[in-house]
Amino acid sequence: DIQMTQSPSSLSAFVGDRVTITCRASQSMSNYLNWYQQKPGKAPKLLIYATSSLQSGVPSRFSGSRFGTDFNLTISSLQPEDFATYYCQQSYSTHPYTFGQGTKLEIK
Amino acid sequence: EVQLVESGGGLIQPGGSLRLSCAASGFTVSSNSMSWVRQAPGKGLEWVSVIYSGGSTYYADSVKGRFTISRDNSKNTLYLQINNLRAEDTAVYYCARGGTTGTLDYWGQGTLVTVSS
Repeated sequence: DIQMTQSPSSLSAFVGDRVTITCRASQSMSNYLNWYQQKPGKAPKLLIYATSSLQSGVPSRFSGSRFGTDFNLTISSLQPEDFATYYCQQSYSTHPYTFGQGTKLEIK
Repeated sequence: EVQLVESGGGLIQPGGSLRLSCAASGFTVSSNSMSWVRQAPGKGLEWVSVIYSGGSTYYADSVKGRFTISRDNSKNTLYLQINNLRAEDTAVYYCARGGTTGTLDYWGQGTLVTVSS
């Protein structure tokens, strides 16, 4: 199984800050990496698929990138509605799909 | 508009059984892959099972042999039969539609399963 190590587990930032969350895969997996946002009490929402493609309706301040087996989610200028928990998910090896442990982004 | 509505959760004793349902609208369940994903209280997301459009099914090792995923094409509904429930199965269970490149592009609101005596 492909393991996804997500960091940091939590992050405090100000509105307007630029933040980056990282997922490291346990093996090479091309660009099959997706990012989800989850707010308390709600279902996850797909933000980015295939490393860097924005899901329809997702603001352009969200972006994704890859450096080898490291995948980054960057929010260029944090907005109040962005404070949530973010998960990466690999879809290269589908059985099982695996998620990162999550990053809780809080307001400083 | 794509919608997924789960039901069937509740409080169940260890060793018991439950069937979760996920009613879909706005698309055809049998034309897509469909997954169940669960989230234990205060924890992260765990993929549980998938059924592909062709009918193939796969399970996480943690549930293999106890959970069964299925669908009713006439009702456009996905199911998860859960047997021999354990305390560690306590979680919110989400159904999700499979999108391009293995994404889970639409999710239901979730249904809570609590296993406790």
